[in-house]
Amino acid sequence: DSGVTQTPKHLITATGQRVTLRCSPRSGDLSVYWYQQSLDQGLQFLIQYYNGEERAKGNILERFSAQQFPDLHSELNLSSLELGDSALYFCASSPEDTFNEKLFFGSGTQLSVL
Amino acid sequence: GDSVTQMEGPVTLSEEAFLTINCTYTATGYPSLFWYVQYPGEGLQLLLKATKADDKGSNKGFEATYRKETTSFHLEKGSVQVSDSAVYFCALSSPDTGRRALTFGSGTRLQVQP
Repeated sequence: DSGVTQTPKHLITATGQRVTLRCSPRSGDLSVYWYQQSLDQGLQFLIQYYNGEERAKGNILERFSAQQFPDLHSELNLSSLELGDSALYFCASSPEDTFNEKLFFGSGTQLSVL
Repeated sequence: GDSVTQMEGPVTLSEEAFLTINCTYTATGYPSLFWYVQYPGEGLQLLLKATKADDKGSNKGFEATYRKETTSFHLEKGSVQVSDSAVYFCALSSPDTGRRALTFGSGTRLQVQP
């Protein structure tokens, strides 16, 4: 168990809908990262927050947004969903802003857009 | 931009066989290099890392050496076990991104048969 909690584990929704994925980092970790894992794109970095502030942005679509709350949990909001958004979304945490050690990954939220 | 190329899978081996999974990278500057492992239904876990040229990362019998001259970080294990069956990801973090984001390879599935 990595200590990173993601909910829900599975999510099935329809095109055009909006969903929210939740992540609770390991106790004491200030950084939260979101990654998308899909069959065609592989594992892609979406966005990082550190202590409530956005610190880095990757290949995140404009239809997607995220935030980190004062209690350090994070939410990833996906709107106007398309079939191609079906993927496994991972959250990871680390204690630092820039990491040279390691990330702790949650077990992911499997999103299916029908 | 940064990229990581891994050998395609699946790799199927018999128990106690020798394992090599090739990984090469393209990056500016001096990236840190990682191998992560993903067991079925779980998030990624750090397997080993190397932060500078000629460093050797090792863990659980797995090894990889940071070769700057060939831009490679091949994963090896002398004798695989059934429990090593998983997907292995090579990754890098670049100083250009403040080492905030990991760039992953496409992953290599390893199947070890008894």
